[in-house]
Amino acid sequence: AQSVTQLDSQVPVFEEAPVELRCNYSSSVSVYLFWYVQYPNQGLQLLLKYLSGSTLVKGINGFEAEFNKSQTSFHLRKPSVHISDTAEYFCAVSFISSGSARQLTFGSGTQLTVLP
Amino acid sequence: DTAVSQTPKYLVTQMGNDKSIKCEQNLGHDTMYWYKQDSKKFLKIMFSYNNKELIINETVPNRFSPKSPDKAHLNLHINSLELGDSAVYFCASSQFTGASYNEQFFGPGTRLTVL
Repeated sequence: AQSVTQLDSQVPVFEEAPVELRCNYSSSVSVYLFWYVQYPNQGLQLLLKYLSGSTLVKGINGFEAEFNKSQTSFHLRKPSVHISDTAEYFCAVSFISSGSARQLTFGSGTQLTVLP
Repeated sequence: DTAVSQTPKYLVTQMGNDKSIKCEQNLGHDTMYWYKQDSKKFLKIMFSYNNKELIINETVPNRFSPKSPDKAHLNLHINSLELGDSAVYFCASSQFTGASYNEQFFGPGTRLTVL
């Protein structure tokens, strides 16, 4: 079965500390991988995506993620967080079958709270 | 300029009423989507239209009916509203180009509260 799992529903971290938000997926087909951020009372904004090529992907606001095919993971990292990074983060996967990759399956989200 | 816009932003209504949410995108995309985000922030796709044709229709009560008058608009009509319909509804759009996947752009959401 195809699924996306975000193991941590809440991650509190102090300002300027590093953070890693975990995402694992299960799939028998090729995938495209995404991280979205949702600030309070706003829509989703793309942070970064992996389609092909280098497994280390850099995104906006200093975030990066690494695709690990053997571990079926796409963890999101930032070396030093700011208060303004407080938001809900969603991992999303597009399972590619029959050439169609329109649909996104989202993980359950991780609430990152940056503490002063 | 807002890329994906939704109206209204907030919608409070009584059980049993019929309501509509409108979505418009000015990105020139050919595919539009409706998602439902529940109180636990879980996001689930409901419908998708490509060039006005329904291509994704997940298990959604038939009280929900999407309508796409043109490529730039995808509206969601909900009949006989129930308490469980309370959620945030997001519209999104993307440009589908063969086997490539392109970024989905999301609207700001419509918070529906059914009393």
